[in-house]
Amino acid sequence: GQSLEQPSEVTAVEGAIVQINCTYQTSGFYGLSWYQQHDGGAPTFLSYNGLDGLEETGRFSSFLSRSDSYGYLLLQELQMKDSASYFCAVRSQGGKLIFGQGTELSVKP
Amino acid sequence: GAVVSQHPSRVICKSGTSVKIECRSLDFQATTMFWYRQFPKQSLMLMATSNEGSKATYEQGVEKDKFLINHASLTLSTLTVTSAHPEDSSFYICSVPTSTEAFFGQGTRLTVV
Repeated sequence: GQSLEQPSEVTAVEGAIVQINCTYQTSGFYGLSWYQQHDGGAPTFLSYNGLDGLEETGRFSSFLSRSDSYGYLLLQELQMKDSASYFCAVRSQGGKLIFGQGTELSVKP
Repeated sequence: GAVVSQHPSRVICKSGTSVKIECRSLDFQATTMFWYRQFPKQSLMLMATSNEGSKATYEQGVEKDKFLINHASLTLSTLTVTSAHPEDSSFYICSVPTSTEAFFGQGTRLTVV
């Protein structure tokens, strides 16, 4: 079977740094992606790790360790607009995405 | 990146009727598109893989006769929810994969009354 685990919710204050962890068990692994989804909206792509290490895109960074089946999303200089759900997703053969349950991030003033 | 347009964004239908949802890849030729379903406060669940020019591949537990998928061209896939029931009410989203990411349509909020 395939499963991904991530925390259900995280709360942080504006300007802070938050890390959302994701562990996975899958058959067939072609990378770990992160998506952001605001209430009522479609997911938007944040980051992709195909190989081990850190990928940085502006305020967002993502890390992958394939030997540990583990990754994380790091959000820096948090802003109120970052309040949303964040999903890790394993990419399997053919481009399929298997999503985690999502982490609801609440950013407080 | 690819622009994906999904229509309609919202639809309300009566129980027993059918609803068609369109997903268009506006600037990217997509031999494969994916259809997901999302219930409130839950994750996106992959329903099926839409393959251009051939039959769709359905995930375990998804009824292929209920959720009809047609992918007649490289830019259009349609999902038809047949004989809809209230339990089919959900958020349906299509996506177009690239080598590293996926682009999603705006989603369709289906309410069956």
